[in-house]
Amino acid sequence: GESVGLHLPTLSVQEGDNSIINCAYSNSASDYFIWYKQESGKGPQFIIDIRSNMDKRQGQRVTVLLNKTVKHLSLQIAATQPGDSAVYFCAENDGTYKYIFGTGTRLKVLA
Amino acid sequence: DTAVSQTPKYLVTQMGNDKSIKCEQNLGHDTMYWYKQDSKKFLKIMFSYNNKELIINETVPNRFSPKSPDKAHLNLHINSLELGDSAVYFCASSQASGGGTEAFFGQGTRLTVV
Repeated sequence: GESVGLHLPTLSVQEGDNSIINCAYSNSASDYFIWYKQESGKGPQFIIDIRSNMDKRQGQRVTVLLNKTVKHLSLQIAATQPGDSAVYFCAENDGTYKYIFGTGTRLKVLA
Repeated sequence: DTAVSQTPKYLVTQMGNDKSIKCEQNLGHDTMYWYKQDSKKFLKIMFSYNNKELIINETVPNRFSPKSPDKAHLNLHINSLELGDSAVYFCASSQASGGGTEAFFGQGTRLTVV
């Protein structure tokens, strides 16, 4: 159960630039995907979701892209701000009472 | 109003002790979960309950015993605590099996076993 040997990737971006965070998922049966943001000392917070019948969904400053062929998700954050600094997780769900999380990416916004 | 609340936020205890973490959700959700987050931020599901019934137990040692007195509560009791139990534990809830709806997470309980 422990992520022994796994290292939390870090993405550093300049304030105002766009950020792209990637995620590979494992279950071909997953049909619902979520991006979460986790700030220090807090629980994961919902950012945006996408169902498997879509390949792109846009929110406010965020866009999620889904490529089912290669089982890949990405989160794009436009005009990254200091408040975007956090750990970002993708999660997949196949309707079986659990959300499987990716390893997470730490986003650091440089002033 | 906090949607998913868990107590305590911090818990420091000695090896061998028994401790409980409580969780309540006021979202009217049917399903509740316990997740464990290790020092590398990896989030792993431990249990899920639907309408007070255990649905998933992800090979968690039986020292961990969840209890759901009603749909809005899912508590976690841990017996004979070990150093390796140190982690942040998150409670979450979702509508039904989670298909098509997100899970809402509590603020976490940081458990430190010394």
